[in-house]
Formats: sequence, structure tokens, C-alpha cells
Amino acid sequence: QVQVVQSATEVKKPGASVRVSCKTSGYSFTSYALHWVRQAPGQRLEWMGWINTGNGNTKYSQKFQDRVTMSRDTSATTGYMDLSSLTSEDTAVYYCASGLTGPVDYWGQGTLVIVSS
Amino acid sequence: QSVLTQPPSASGTPGQTVDISCSGSSSNIGVNYVFWYQQLPGAAPKLLIYKSDQRPSGVPDRFSGSKSATSASLAIRGLRSEDEADYYCAAWDDRLSGYVFGPGTRVTVL
Repeated sequence: QVQVVQSATEVKKPGASVRVSCKTSGYSFTSYALHWVRQAPGQRLEWMGWINTGNGNTKYSQKFQDRVTMSRDTSATTGYMDLSSLTSEDTAVYYCASGLTGPVDYWGQGTLVIVSS
Repeated sequence: QSVLTQPPSASGTPGQTVDISCSGSSSNIGVNYVFWYQQLPGAAPKLLIYKSDQRPSGVPDRFSGSKSATSASLAIRGLRSEDEADYYCAAWDDRLSGYVFGPGTRVTVL
């Protein structure tokens, strides 16, 4: 069966960086783009960008372009999202989603990132 | 200010139909597909509608989507208690060159 498992909760200080991983199994990893979406407490979903899991090409939201990097390891069927220069406004649940725009979508359980001094 | 706008809440009694609107512009809904997601409390979102009116496998036909000009809507027919959730519309925005979500609509089953 399909599984998408993300890394555990992270607590970071302002100015630090964070890496969130997204381990997939049960489907063809390279058949779908891997998107990253975040949700601050009580807020809407916010798209951060996506990576073409086949060739590694990326497309980032203008908001995060300067401090986000998305990558993947096809042999490990795992995607990664690195976010730098963290501030308290980056406190959120970060989701990976394979195939976000259908006809299938596989979401991770979410990773809580807390930025606090 | 949201690129896509939705009503903050909607409600209905079991069995009723609830309609949720999503208003955009010529740079997003006007020229691109609309997608709808359901987010149950404490859970990850789930795709309900793709390409404006298509249902993924496994999504009940009680859920339907439509699009006209720069607006879209999601209809939930035969409302059930398990439909209590937040519903988000989304679309690609050519001006922003990115995927945008609406603010979400919380559906309550009375």
C-alpha cells in the first residue's frame, strides 16, 4: 500500500535552517511531482513549490524562492525540503504531497516545525 | 488580500446540499483548472476535485465541482456528519507563477 512518511517535529532557533524529509513507498516515485505545502496554526494552506522527481527540476513560490531548496533521492524514493533563515513566521506544519493536482494525491502526515528562541 | 476568495463558513443539516464558492481572476481561475481539497480536523488535506470537475477514484459522487469564467464552486449533496471539515479551492496563477489556495471554508453539519 502507499505510504508517505515525513520526518519528526523540529524545534529551531531563529536564523537556523531546517530539513524535512518525505519517504515514499508503494507507488512509482518518479511518476508524480512532489509538492511542498505548509500550514501555519489556524491558517490556510500555502504552496511552497514542487520538484519534478524524474529530472530534479524545481519550481518555487516567489515567496520562498530565496531560501527554499527542494531535492530528491530517487534510489531512496525520498524527497527533501530545506528552508533557511527561519523566523517565528515559519512555525507551521509542512506537508509533502505527491501528485497534488490529481488524479491521485498522496500526502505525508505533516511535520511540525517550531521556530522559537 | 487573498488571490482566491471563499466564504469563511457554510452549514447545512444532514441530507441538504451545501455550495461553496471560490472567486478568482483572469490570471488564475479564468485560464486554469480549479482544484478542491478537504481537510478533516487534525489531518492532511485530501484532493476532492481536480481539473475543475473531475473526481479522483474513491471520492463519492456527492461531491461535484464546476467552473464558470473566474469563479468556481463545490457542491456537497446529501450532507453527512463526516463532511464537517475545511474545504480549500486552489488554482495555478499565471501572474504569480505559482499555485494558490483560497482561505478555506469551514463546513458545519447542524
